[in-house]
Amino acid sequence: DAGVIQSPRHEVTEMGQEVTLRCKPISGHNSLFWYRQTMMRGLELLIYFNNNVPIDDSGMPEDRFSAKMPNASFSTLKIQPSEPRDSAVYFCASSLLGGDEQFFGPGTRLTVL
Amino acid sequence: GEDVEQSLFLSVREGDSSVINCTYTDSSSTYLYWYKQEPGAGLQLLTYIFSNMDMKQDQRLTVLLNKKDKHLSLRIADTQTGDSAIYFCAETPPNDYKLSFGAGTTVTVRA
Repeated sequence: DAGVIQSPRHEVTEMGQEVTLRCKPISGHNSLFWYRQTMMRGLELLIYFNNNVPIDDSGMPEDRFSAKMPNASFSTLKIQPSEPRDSAVYFCASSLLGGDEQFFGPGTRLTVL
Repeated sequence: GEDVEQSLFLSVREGDSSVINCTYTDSSSTYLYWYKQEPGAGLQLLTYIFSNMDMKQDQRLTVLLNKKDKHLSLRIADTQTGDSAIYFCAETPPNDYKLSFGAGTTVTVRA
């Protein structure tokens, strides 16, 4: 298995632009997580999906952030409009079941100018 | 949420043992984990320990759990340059999916 796949690996955009991050979980996993990593705040859970349904989005910072999981093999995290303070590394992780080992993707490094 | 605390930096000479420490506050935690993050990469699960265990050994890695003091440690024997990375301690309560991560300990291995 290729593991969790994220794209793009790097994204540089200007303030106010829309940003879409993509994730393909490991086949057969039914739980998907989006995390954000910054120097100041460390790793933060943004949202958790189980069987394609958002279960916990309490970590989503504000309405500018939205996440979807239209099917078991694809999820997106969208920021609109983006701001410089959104600059971070965004990780997607998946697990077989909700409480199992989470496998992380390589991350998307987002820079908002 | 519960807090997981780690020291931020550790420098160790190649061949020596590294010990990374972590304290947590949720006494109901079921599993405690150590993740490794190499530069430019995602987190990789190194090892984990169930809360009813005191110790777990896996090749060069030894995990010690002091449940009374809520203290977790990771010992890496014969540290190599490839062990240079950020190490995260994490916990999860029973029947929960949420991982609470520490801030990470940056381990630098010097020749």
